[in-house]
Amino acid sequence: GAVVSQHPSRVICKSGTSVKIECRSLDFQATTMFWYRQFPKQSLMLMATSNEGSKATYEQGVEKDKFLINHASLTLSTLTVTSAHPEDSSFYICSASDPNYGYTFGSGTRLTVV
Amino acid sequence: AQSVTQPDIHITVSEGASLELRCNYSYGATPYLFWYVQSPGQGLQLLLKYFSGDTLVQGIKGFEAEFKRSQSSFNLRKPSVHWSDAAEYFCAVVAREAASKLTFGTGTRLQVTL
Repeated sequence: GAVVSQHPSRVICKSGTSVKIECRSLDFQATTMFWYRQFPKQSLMLMATSNEGSKATYEQGVEKDKFLINHASLTLSTLTVTSAHPEDSSFYICSASDPNYGYTFGSGTRLTVV
Repeated sequence: AQSVTQPDIHITVSEGASLELRCNYSYGATPYLFWYVQSPGQGLQLLLKYFSGDTLVQGIKGFEAEFKRSQSSFNLRKPSVHWSDAAEYFCAVVAREAASKLTFGTGTRLQVTL
C-alpha cells in the first residue's frame, strides 16, 4: 500500500527560528499533497494544498508568508514554519493524494516553540 | 456547504461489546467516504473507504461501515471491541473530482473499559 513518510516526528525550536518539515511519498507519485494542523483534542484543519511544480493554495486565514510550502517533486513536499512563535506550537500532518490509493497520511510532526 | 457531522464526541464501551460510530454528511452529490483512526501523537491510519459498489465496506482491524444514501450516513461498526481500539476516529468525505480536499468530522474519542 501507499506510504507517506514525514520527518521529523518531533522538533523543539527557539522562538524566532525557522523549522522545515518534510513529507515524502515513498512508493507512489503524489501530484497533490495537503498540509494540516491539529490542535489538542480537535480535528484536522487544512492549511494548504500543494501541487507539484506550482504554488500552494492556502486556506483562508493561513499566513502564506509564515507557512512556506514547496512541492518541488512528485514525491516531496516541505512545510517551513518561518520565524516560529509559541503559538505555532502544534501537531502538523501531511497527506498525499494518489488516484489509486486515495489519501495517505504521514505520522505527523509535533512542533514545540520555546 | 459541505459538512461532516460526528454527533458523538466521546464514547465508552466495554471490551468485547459492539461498537457503532455515527457519521452524517451534507454534500451536493455522493462523495467518497473514509474512516480514519488516530492514536495519540500519531498520524491517521485509513480503516476503510467507500467509492462505489457494495454499500457495506469491510476494513482493517475487523471494522466495517455501511453507506446509506437515503440517510447521508456512513456509520462505522465493529462487532467486538478490543482494548487496543481505544483511539480517536475521524470520518472524512471528499468530492469525486481528482485531488479534492478532504472534509473531516470533529472526531469521536473511543474509550474501552476492561
